[in-house]
Amino acid sequence: IAGITQAPTSQILAAGRRMTLRCTQDMRHNAMYWYRQDLGLGLRLIHYSNTAGTTGKGEVPDGYSVSRANTDDFPLTLASAVPSQTSVYFCASSDGEGREAFFGQGTRLTVV
Amino acid sequence: GESVGLHLPTLSVQEGDNSIINCAYSNSASDYFIWYKQESGKGPQFIIDIRSNMDKRQGQRVTVLLNKTVKHLSLQIAATQPGDSAVYFCAENIEGSARQLTFGSGTQLTVLP
Repeated sequence: IAGITQAPTSQILAAGRRMTLRCTQDMRHNAMYWYRQDLGLGLRLIHYSNTAGTTGKGEVPDGYSVSRANTDDFPLTLASAVPSQTSVYFCASSDGEGREAFFGQGTRLTVV
Repeated sequence: GESVGLHLPTLSVQEGDNSIINCAYSNSASDYFIWYKQESGKGPQFIIDIRSNMDKRQGQRVTVLLNKTVKHLSLQIAATQPGDSAVYFCAENIEGSARQLTFGSGTQLTVLP
């Protein structure tokens, strides 16, 4: 059982470049989420999707965009990366009923 | 605004001792609470949850206590082992809603030999 798969696991990116972080889940969960994790700040929600075809903004959405064309995939795009977007990014999914979320292994992104 | 916070950012315990990690939440409407464990280089993993109609819930070596009066929950780990070294997060939500989990900043638990 794969659960949630993120790709790549790590990336060094030049500032100004475009980057898409991939996330796929095989649990048929309705809701999916993208978080960033920075030291001392815990997990902060970037964007979310409660169901395929819908998305919403989280706590820190600026500089990021998402799409949810189907149930399984929820890519996160940085249109023009900046150094402040250096972080570890986690994708998660849940049944969308306010219960536990399941997390991927994370993508470590460094913007230089 | 809403927040879920932790009283202590770090905790060191001797192997074999019991650990207690605390968490405060501010949204009185929250009725579902989760503890996650995050090991270095990995994503958070579910440990145990508790609903607001309960004060205590036990799992394998872990117990979560909920005090709704003061909006506080704690995670107790019995006979702490080296493998318990990790960052522990509490999270809260309203069950049945489409609302997203709100996470605390985490407590780093270090188990000393």
